[in-house]
Amino acid sequence: QKEVEQNSGPLSVPEGAIASLNCTYSDRGSQSFFWYRQYSGKSPELIMSIYSNGDKEDGRFTAQLNKASQYVSLLIRDSQPSDSATYLCAGGYGNNRLAFGKGNQVVVIP
Amino acid sequence: EPEVTQTPSHQVTQMGQEVILRCVPISNHLYFYWYRQILGQKVEFLVSFYNNEISEKSEIFDDQFSVERPDGSNFTLKIRSTKLEDSAMYFCASSDLQASGGYTFGSGTRLTVV
Repeated sequence: QKEVEQNSGPLSVPEGAIASLNCTYSDRGSQSFFWYRQYSGKSPELIMSIYSNGDKEDGRFTAQLNKASQYVSLLIRDSQPSDSATYLCAGGYGNNRLAFGKGNQVVVIP
Repeated sequence: EPEVTQTPSHQVTQMGQEVILRCVPISNHLYFYWYRQILGQKVEFLVSFYNNEISEKSEIFDDQFSVERPDGSNFTLKIRSTKLEDSAMYFCASSDLQASGGYTFGSGTRLTVV
C-alpha cells in the first residue's frame, strides 16, 4: 500500500491564476506533511510544512491538511513562470523518514 | 544560508565497482539521510543515521549499501558492487532535532552505472 499518493497528471495554469495540487496518505500515524518543489535535474526544496488540521499560509503558498479525510493540498496563488516545476508531497514517518508521492508537474503559461 | 554539500556531482562507474558518495551535512544538524531518485520516478528513502548508527533503513538498503560518518563533518554512502539498476540521483539530507522531517537536501550526485 502506497503511503503517499499524488494521482493528478501535469497541471497547466495561466500566469496569475491559482494552481491547486492534492495528495492523499494512507497511514493515520503520520503527523507531519510537507510540500517540496523540484526543478528538473535539481534536488527537492522544502516550501511548506504542516502538522495540524486546517490551513497554513506562507506568501503565495497555502497548505491545507485534513486528517479525517487523509489529504493534503497546496494552493499556489498568482502563479508565476518560475513556479513551473514538479511538486512533491511527503509524509513524515518513523524516525524522521519521509515518504514521497510521485509528484505533480505544474506548467505556468505566460 | 547553510547548505548540504554533496560530491561528486556526477559519477560514472562500471558495473561491479565500488562507489563512495560523499556528503557534508549542515554543521549543527544531528540526523542524516540518504535518498535516491531513479530517473522519472519518485524520491525513495534509503537510510537515516543518528548518533553514529543507523536509525532506520528501507528494503532498498541491502547488504550492498553502507553508511559511515568517518569524521565530524562527512557522511558517506558506499555501494559495494554496483548494478545497472543503481543508476539514479542520490540525495543526502540533514535535519536538527526539531526538524520533524522537514529537512534540507543536498544538490545530489548523479550515479551512472555502465
